[in-house]
Amino acid sequence: GAGVSQSPSNKVTEKGKDVELRCDPISGHTALYWYRQRLGQGLEFLIYFQGNSAPDKSGLPSDRFSAERTGESVSTLTIQRTQQEDSAVYLCASSVQTSVVLGNEQFFGPGTRLTVL
Amino acid sequence: AQKVTQAQTEISVVEKEDVTLDCVYETRDTTYYLFWYKQPPSGELVFLIRRNSFDEQNEISGRYSWNFQKSTSSFNFTITASQVVDSAVYFCALRLTGSGNTGKLIFGQGTTLQVKP
Repeated sequence: GAGVSQSPSNKVTEKGKDVELRCDPISGHTALYWYRQRLGQGLEFLIYFQGNSAPDKSGLPSDRFSAERTGESVSTLTIQRTQQEDSAVYLCASSVQTSVVLGNEQFFGPGTRLTVL
Repeated sequence: AQKVTQAQTEISVVEKEDVTLDCVYETRDTTYYLFWYKQPPSGELVFLIRRNSFDEQNEISGRYSWNFQKSTSSFNFTITASQVVDSAVYFCALRLTGSGNTGKLIFGQGTTLQVKP
């Protein structure tokens, strides 16, 4: 089956504009994560969705960042009033999450490279 | 606090050399998972291995092997007889499983491995 897909693959925007990044998880994966990877850095957790549970938003860096997920399907990460410091690759991952204890691996998408001019 | 440290920022070897990538983690939790991911130039993270904190057996998969030592909080990764295709950024990650944890991955900064022909 298809892997995690993300769109767009690249996004160039001007400072102050809003952007929306999309993630299509693997079918049947109930858990979905967003991470941010700044140039030359590791991945930073942003937000987590699991089924109908309340999302874990503890990684969102500011109130300019928000995300939604419809059921167990597509998720959208929105960044409002973008700043140059938001430039990074935004990665989405999904996993089969029947239990956190099982430690199921996360499958990553190719990412969206965001450049804020 | 939980943290993953990959002290080696960049490693350069000549093909067929063995190379070890170091990973040291910090957590007070007794139950957790450790992961290694590979990020080739294409950018997409590829899952390599998952290790439960209760299983300290070393693992070998082809040219890859992993040495998990709980006593030193290390989870090192060795590539034997390296090949040019091994050139990538390698990430070590920690996942907690206790109550309240959502399974997010805590990544190290990554080690860039360059294998020269």
